[in-house]
Amino acid sequence: DGGITQSPKYLFRKEGQNVTLSCEQNLNHDAMYWYRQDPGQGLRLIYYSQIVNDFQKGDIAEGYSVSREKKESFPLTVTSAQKNPTAFYLCASSARTGPNQPQHFGDGTRLSIL
Amino acid sequence: AQKITQTQPGMFVQEKEAVTLDCTYDTSDQSYGLFWYKQPSSGEMIFLIYQGSYDEQNATEGRYSLNFQKARKSANLVISASQLGDSAMYFCAMRENNSGGSNYKLTFGKGTLLTVNP
Repeated sequence: DGGITQSPKYLFRKEGQNVTLSCEQNLNHDAMYWYRQDPGQGLRLIYYSQIVNDFQKGDIAEGYSVSREKKESFPLTVTSAQKNPTAFYLCASSARTGPNQPQHFGDGTRLSIL
Repeated sequence: AQKITQTQPGMFVQEKEAVTLDCTYDTSDQSYGLFWYKQPSSGEMIFLIYQGSYDEQNATEGRYSLNFQKARKSANLVISASQLGDSAMYFCAMRENNSGGSNYKLTFGKGTLLTVNP
């Protein structure tokens, strides 16, 4: 079945460590997104990419980095510069065939600090 | 200022009854879209329904319908015949057309936690 796969489901980070969250989609979508969700809050956009080899900062990009070398993949790196990384991270993708196309989400990665 | 406001942090409904979840939005765009998502306790986000700003009819998808009042800038979600499995967080989101129509970013509200009682 087509969908979005995020891994790992749970991730623990030590102080000063960079960690990378994986996001892979087989929906043939051009656009991909990373969101952060804190407890009891809505989703906030970290980075997004509309085509391969291009991406833009969202509302809370500081302390994060991304790459988009392949259409199917949009990994997110949480760097040591992100001082409060504990959150639920959601990856999404959408078609660019029309503005009514919904974003489809993965199951998320929960990141915690050791 | 918040672009999406969901004023109900929590709502309770009896099984088989209908419930309305409120959403108001703020935009200066003429062309925009409104989405509702469901997030169960497991965490995944499930797309429910979409309403375009130029759509003349209110959107419906099975037991979900959208009460779209453009002049009031509200897009309330109505769930009919509630089921126990409807218990979840519900998020309203808006896509604005502020980048020439090619930017499909969404702005989310803070959500409403719906609990369906047996």
